[in-house]
Amino acid sequence: KDQVFQPSTVASSEGAVVEIFCNHSVSNAYNFFWYLHFPGCAPRLLVKGSKPSQQGRYNMTYERFSSSLLILQVREADAAVYYCAVYRCANAGKSTFGDGTTLTVKP
Amino acid sequence: DSGVTQTPKHLITATGQRVTLRCSPRSGDLSVYWYQQSLDQGLQFLIQYYNGEERAKGNILERFSAQQFPDLHSELNLSSLELGDSALYFCASSPGTSGREETQYFGPGTRLLVL
Repeated sequence: KDQVFQPSTVASSEGAVVEIFCNHSVSNAYNFFWYLHFPGCAPRLLVKGSKPSQQGRYNMTYERFSSSLLILQVREADAAVYYCAVYRCANAGKSTFGDGTTLTVKP
Repeated sequence: DSGVTQTPKHLITATGQRVTLRCSPRSGDLSVYWYQQSLDQGLQFLIQYYNGEERAKGNILERFSAQQFPDLHSELNLSSLELGDSALYFCASSPGTSGREETQYFGPGTRLLVL
């Protein structure tokens, strides 16, 4: 069964670098996607790829079965839910989402 | 603005009733996905359609059904509603070309309250 695993919560302090880890059991996985979700708003893509990637303060590491999202210089406003998703492109392309990681940031 | 639209934004109904949620994907996107987000829970994948055909199924109840029409818009039908069906329902779309750029673009969601 295709599954994506990520911690339910991560805590950090303002100004720090926070890492959210994700691993999976998806066969023929191709891409990792990291989405940001403020509850009540539409989730949106932060960074994606099949290799290490960076978008502004967001870095993504890549291994075949795992990825980490690193958020640099964390701010209180970064407190949200972060979803890891893995895309499998073989046959019927399908994305499998993790259950989300809630990031809390102390001032 | 992702380009994905969902209607209605809010829906209040009673237990036992049936409702239809509507989603219009981004222009040119062939895949549509439905997700449910209940209180204090993450995104739960319900179902995916690609160019009018069901492509993948998640934790969708038998009381729920969906379809994608020739113009690519999609509807999620929820019947025999229960209190526990109260949630935020998101629709997302992607190009669906089975290529590498399968970013999903999410709509603003429909908030359903079952009383």
